[in-house]
Amino acid sequence: GDSVTQMEGPVTLSEEAFLTINCTYTATGYPSLFWYVQYPGEGLQLLLKATKADDKGSNKGFEATYRKETTSFHLEKGSVQVSDSAVYFCALSDRWDGGSQGNLIFGKGTKLSVKP
Amino acid sequence: ETGVTQTPRHLVMGMTNKKSLKCEQHLGHNAMYWYKQSAKKPLELMFVYSLEERVENNSVPSRFSPECPNSSHLFLHLHTLQPEDSALYLCASSQDRLLSSYEQYFGPGTRLTVT
Repeated sequence: GDSVTQMEGPVTLSEEAFLTINCTYTATGYPSLFWYVQYPGEGLQLLLKATKADDKGSNKGFEATYRKETTSFHLEKGSVQVSDSAVYFCALSDRWDGGSQGNLIFGKGTKLSVKP
Repeated sequence: ETGVTQTPRHLVMGMTNKKSLKCEQHLGHNAMYWYKQSAKKPLELMFVYSLEERVENNSVPSRFSPECPNSSHLFLHLHTLQPEDSALYLCASSQDRLLSSYEQYFGPGTRLTVT
């Protein structure tokens, strides 16, 4: 079945460092891809998404490009801040040609800690 | 209120208690979801409702009983739970379950502790 694999954490960075969180997926159809973020004590919030190959999602300085050839959707940010400390989840929404389940399949999450 | 709200935010219950979790979405969405988030495990989809009809039940034990009286409200009724059911229970909604490009909007969750 469809699945998402993201790098294990935790990831600890200094403020203004470059961030990459790797995410790869397996899917039988043409999924949409998402990054969600969960701040301490809160639910998940959508950070960005891409719905087809070569689309780039971006928000709050974060970017991810839907790479069909490498089945990847890596999250990047050029300069992280302390306020970016959270858990980041990569997810795909499974679908097939002509139809869709629409369920989200999540990776295990990567905890990011940014130190001042 | 905007978005997806959940009450209570925290709940402690004994194994013989009966309690209910409530979720309300103010987004006009047609689909609602219950997830379980346990430490060191991926998010587990529990139930999916589309237009108030349950369309998915992912082998969830019968001690969890969902209810969707209308498209804005979703409940999770709990009875005779086990300590391993302690987790963060997240509710989510989306505009249309069948279109995968629609993202899900999550509530803040209910932190459940079973003693």
